[in-house]
Amino acid sequence: GAVVSQHPSRVICKSGTSVKIECRSLDFQATTMFWYRQFPKQSLMLMATSNEGSKATYEQGVEKDKFLINHASLTLSTLTVTSAHPEDSSFYICSARGTSGGAHTDTQYFGPGTRLTVL
Amino acid sequence: QKEVEQNSGPLSVPEGAIASLNCTYSDRGSQSFFWYRQYSGKSPELIMFIYSNGDKEDGRFTAQLNKASQYVSLLIRDSQPSDSATYLCAVRNDMRFGAGTRLTVKP
Repeated sequence: GAVVSQHPSRVICKSGTSVKIECRSLDFQATTMFWYRQFPKQSLMLMATSNEGSKATYEQGVEKDKFLINHASLTLSTLTVTSAHPEDSSFYICSARGTSGGAHTDTQYFGPGTRLTVL
Repeated sequence: QKEVEQNSGPLSVPEGAIASLNCTYSDRGSQSFFWYRQYSGKSPELIMFIYSNGDKEDGRFTAQLNKASQYVSLLIRDSQPSDSATYLCAVRNDMRFGAGTRLTVKP
């Protein structure tokens, strides 16, 4: 089946620093990738959608200058949280949808998530 | 307006029973439907997808799709305590998830 990896799985950083999270589709080409954020006991919140080679489309209320998304290849998307603050502490999850390899068309496959803690 | 609506539960069933999870959607043109399971502290994992009207079975799981009534359901037979999780319904054109249905299977 289709596999999506995320790195790092956990990161702790000081307030004001930037953190980059990588999301990779391992055995299929991810034409579209999604980034979500989830606070404890709350539902997944879609932050942005990105298509390979295009600028990301951000959801209302998500600051594009704070959450930089790059989807430069068919297997890699990155989310950079710039100047992170304690309120950015959350569980960040990426997902990918694509074709070929082990992926079924239209199906979204999730990465294992990255737990960010900003001190 | 959300594309999909689910009963957020919680739903509690005894071990060995059938758990029934339901989801309605608003876009009649939706073609692809998905069920995910999310354990606490983990990311969602795909259980099943269904495209055609009727039932689709995979082990203890059965997805049911009724396009005329615009609902999709998930049945879990012989429920196990390990099935306790939040179940999320999704459609192809909307990747915004709702709260899902929290299922607890009691031993």
